[in-house]
Amino acid sequence: DAGVTQSPTHLIKTRGQQVTLRCSPKSGHDTVSWYQQALGQGPQFIFQYYEEEERQRGNFPDRFSGHQFPNYSSELNVNALLLGDSALYLCASRRRTVNYGYTFGSGTRLTVV
Amino acid sequence: SQKIEQNSEALNIQEGKTATLTCNYTNYSPAYLQWYRQDPGRGPVFLLLIRENEKEKRKERLKVTFDTTLKQSLFHITASQPADSATYLCALGDSSASKIIFGSGTRLSIRP
Repeated sequence: DAGVTQSPTHLIKTRGQQVTLRCSPKSGHDTVSWYQQALGQGPQFIFQYYEEEERQRGNFPDRFSGHQFPNYSSELNVNALLLGDSALYLCASRRRTVNYGYTFGSGTRLTVV
Repeated sequence: SQKIEQNSEALNIQEGKTATLTCNYTNYSPAYLQWYRQDPGRGPVFLLLIRENEKEKRKERLKVTFDTTLKQSLFHITASQPADSATYLCALGDSSASKIIFGSGTRLSIRP
């Protein structure tokens, strides 16, 4: 049983460009959250999707947007990239009705130059 | 604003000893608290969840306590092994459907 799959694993982009990161949740999971993790820091919550809608959002600008598809997979889009957007982007999934921990992917390492 | 604090310094423990990690929080009333393990370059891995009405939870060599009066959780690894070396993150949620927010993590090193 595959866990959470994220693509790509690594990405280098130029300041001002746009990027799309992808996530396939664990089988049976319907809720997807995205986190940004800077080096040496804990993951910071970006937003959460359920039933194809953004349900909760963290303290991130509108440059960060997302989408959830009918098969529960999700995308994270970041526009007008800044150097400070360089981080590990983590996708986490869970089944909404089950109150235990999230399953995380290995993340996408984004470097903005 | 909500704040979660973990041991700011890395923790170095001799193999076989008990490692104790601390998670303190302010301006928050969590319904549950979770602990995750994260290895370099990997995503966090869920270890344990403890609810606000539970005082203690155990799983094999792991033990978690949760004191909502002190606003603190302690995470213990007994009979520690070098393979336990990793960063440990605590995370809080305020309902079953809510997001979870993380502390900055504590890096634990177990020396042989």
